Amino acid sequence: AQKITQTQPGMFVQEKEAVTLDCTYDTSDPSYGLFWYKQPSSGEMIFLIYQGSYDQQNATEGRYSLNFQKARKSANLVISASQLGDSAMYFCAMRDLFAGNNRKLIWGLGTSLAVNP
Amino acid sequence: GAVVSQHPSRVICKSGTSVKIECRSLDFQATTMFWYRQFPKQSLMLMATSNEGSKATYEQGVEKDKFLINHASLTLSTLTVTSAHPEDSSFYICSAVAGPNYNEQFFGPGTRLTVL
Repeated sequence: AQKITQTQPGMFVQEKEAVTLDCTYDTSDPSYGLFWYKQPSSGEMIFLIYQGSYDQQNATEGRYSLNFQKARKSANLVISASQLGDSAMYFCAMRDLFAGNNRKLIWGLGTSLAVNP
Repeated sequence: GAVVSQHPSRVICKSGTSVKIECRSLDFQATTMFWYRQFPKQSLMLMATSNEGSKATYEQGVEKDKFLINHASLTLSTLTVTSAHPEDSSFYICSAVAGPNYNEQFFGPGTRLTVL
């Protein structure tokens, strides 16, 4: 069965510093996608970054990058130059890419990030 | 990116009443929509997967007669919480996928339901 593990319930980072949020996954599917979402206190889920299992390079989106280590089954999110607005819950998720209409995501428990001024 | 709206954003109702939550994809056609439930400081729990024109697929443990899902068009899905009770109070979020070639789920802003 597929599983996402986020071992850090809470993290603190100083403004302008970089922070890494951990995510490990377990799947027997050969093709899968990994996602990171941000959820501020307002509740909306904001898509941050996506990594496909066959992508050769680590995904990057602005200040977000995904440290994808396939052999270790990890997909850590790196946020560079943290800003106060980065304070939020961060969720790692995964899904099988060839599941037809079954496109549901498997979610981790989330990491609460607090950026200190 | 694509926009998904939810209405209402907040609802307070009396125990025993039914509440309908709408999820709309505003600028794309959503072949699949998902309904989630989230308790405070917890992860999202998938309730059901809704494909346009077919019956919703419910996750194990979710009562299909209590949480009615209708995906009548490619831009609208509704979740009706029937005979709501205080334990149904939660944050309900929908998401939509544009089609089989799209990886990203676009989320609505969520609906906070409080049952008195």
